[in-house]
Amino acid sequence: NFRLTQPPSVSASPGKTVTLSCTRSSGNIASKYVQWYQQRPGSAPTTVIYEDNQRPSGVPDRFSGSIDSSSNSASLTISGLKTEDEADYFCQSYDTLNWVFGGGTKLTVL
Amino acid sequence: QVQLVESGGGLVKPGGSLRLSCAASGFTLNNYYMAWIRQAPGKGLEWMSYFSSSDDSIYYADSVKGRFTVSRDNAKNSVYLQMSSLGAEDTAIYYCARLRAWYAVVDWGQGTLVTVSS
Repeated sequence: NFRLTQPPSVSASPGKTVTLSCTRSSGNIASKYVQWYQQRPGSAPTTVIYEDNQRPSGVPDRFSGSIDSSSNSASLTISGLKTEDEADYFCQSYDTLNWVFGGGTKLTVL
Repeated sequence: QVQLVESGGGLVKPGGSLRLSCAASGFTLNNYYMAWIRQAPGKGLEWMSYFSSSDDSIYYADSVKGRFTVSRDNAKNSVYLQMSSLGAEDTAIYYCARLRAWYAVVDWGQGTLVTVSS
């Protein structure tokens, strides 16, 4: 199995743009879709990106996903940061039959 | 509007069993893959199982294989997670999820807490 590594914490100011990374330890990041889940404090997760760069209905276009094969990483970019974006963000992908979650990044907006 | 409502969580003794339920509404269960995902207190997400609601395709994480069993009742639009031989490491919030395809969650329930303690 592979691992997905996320920085434990990131902070940014309201109105700014932040990019969260998710690095795959082995296997080609581009070969399997990556999803991103947001979890606000005390709440269940919600999906903000699926299949690398697709937004579920209701997710603002301030959220975007991308893949970088050169670094074997996926990224979640949030523009025009709002205080409500403060949350834990988990990436997730899979191999033949198993899912793998990243350890999560705590985004602080201050 | 899609809604997933878990129930059945609670306090159970080590070695005990528990059955969780997930009532789905706003969509037809047998058109979607579903999953159970858990989160230990203060920890990250861990997948337990994902399964097709229209055939017999069921997959389990190694950590629960042989102890946990999923089932579904399409007529009731509900899925279930039967857990046995529970240990302290199974203490977590358990989420039911609707999948877009077998690999991607699009909708989450609010979760139900399972505490394994004597």
